[in-house]
Amino acid sequence: DIQMTQSPSSLSASVGDRVTITCQASQDITNYLNWYQQKPGKAPKLLIYDASTLERGVPSRFIGSGSGTDFTFTISSLQPEDIATYYCQQCDNLPLTFGGGTKVEIK
Amino acid sequence: QVQLVQSGAEVKKPGASVKVSCKASGYSFFTSYYMHWVRQAPGQGLEWMGIINPSGGSTTYAQKFQGRVTMTRDTSTTTVYMELSSLRSEDAALYYCARGGYDVLRPLHYWGQGTLVTVSS
Repeated sequence: DIQMTQSPSSLSASVGDRVTITCQASQDITNYLNWYQQKPGKAPKLLIYDASTLERGVPSRFIGSGSGTDFTFTISSLQPEDIATYYCQQCDNLPLTFGGGTKVEIK
Repeated sequence: QVQLVQSGAEVKKPGASVKVSCKASGYSFFTSYYMHWVRQAPGQGLEWMGIINPSGGSTTYAQKFQGRVTMTRDTSTTTVYMELSSLRSEDAALYYCARGGYDVLRPLHYWGQGTLVTVSS
């Protein structure tokens, strides 16, 4: 199985800050990397797929990059509604696997 | 719009089985999109359980659940099901269905609201 290592596990930042989360795959997954946002009590929501493609309707402050084994998710200007846990997920091979999640809070 | 509506919360005793349903609507060609099941234990991360091809009903399960999970579909009602047997306390979780793409290895664009399964004697 492909292991996904996500960091940090939590972070606290101010409104307007640039926030960065990293995700590392245990093997080359080309660009088959997705990012999800999960707000408390809600189902996950797809934000970015294929490493850098923004899902329809998702604000452009959410940015994904990377390829191979190393990926980055950035919120260019943190907003109060961005409080959530973010997960990376690979779809290069079954079983699909998720990172451990990053909880983002407002300072 | 695409909607995945799951069945309600369940309370089961250890050793019992639970069957969760997920009714899909709002899109054509129910049989064209793979459906996944993902679970989330309280306060924990996301865990992929398996996938079903609604077209022929073929399935692939995560090794962890092999022998205990069965995923099926009813094309006449555009509903997929996930049955988990021999329940133990560690199976207490929120269970989500999620729609994938035309291929097996595509993102999960749409999710159900989740079904809470409680396992308690």
